[in-house]
Amino acid sequence: GAGVSQSPRYKVAKRGQDVALRCDPISGHVSLFWYQQALGQGPEFLTYFQNEAQLDKSGLPSDRFFAERPEGSVSTLKIQRTQQEDSAVYLCASSPPPSSGTYEQYFGPGTRLTVT
Amino acid sequence: AQSVAQPEDQVNVAEGNPLTVKCTYSVSGNPYLFWYVQYPNRGLQFLLKYITGDNLVKGSYGFEAEFNKSQTSFHLKKPSALVSDSALYFCAVRPRHSGGYNKLIFGAGTRLAVHP
Repeated sequence: GAGVSQSPRYKVAKRGQDVALRCDPISGHVSLFWYQQALGQGPEFLTYFQNEAQLDKSGLPSDRFFAERPEGSVSTLKIQRTQQEDSAVYLCASSPPPSSGTYEQYFGPGTRLTVT
Repeated sequence: AQSVAQPEDQVNVAEGNPLTVKCTYSVSGNPYLFWYVQYPNRGLQFLLKYITGDNLVKGSYGFEAEFNKSQTSFHLKKPSALVSDSALYFCAVRPRHSGGYNKLIFGAGTRLAVHP
């Protein structure tokens, strides 16, 4: 079946521009996660949705970062007034409900954001 | 603070030889443990997990991992390496009591290079 998809795959933004990154999770997966992966680092948690509810946004680095999942499926991560330190790969992952007993997450290919 | 350590930035091994990629963690309780692999320009692919039970778990592509509670380690192993195993490997943990969802903490990654 189809996996997690993300678009665009690459994004170049000038400093100060706003960007929007899209994630299409696996159908039926209620849990959705965003991670930020800086060059040479492991992914770091940004935020978590269960259906349309954003239950944890403790990893968002500043109030310039905003995520939404209004209908409990597609999610968008928005970064306002981008800065060079925002350059990273943004990964989206989805998983079935915690009650399913499936503990692993399924990752998309990521969006590589470069801020110039 | 909760953390995952992968002490080797890179592991070099000859094709056909056994390989080990090390992972230790500092997380309270008995976390769930995972290994993911990342190929260039692709997202993370799930390899295997330890939830409970036998300390030796088997996963995809002939990989296995050994959980050692006293050493808080979860080393990835394969009896006979293939050139196609060359990739970036990430160890990840999920605290067992993390609010009921699968927030993952990742190590920085280890690059595995298998030489013909």
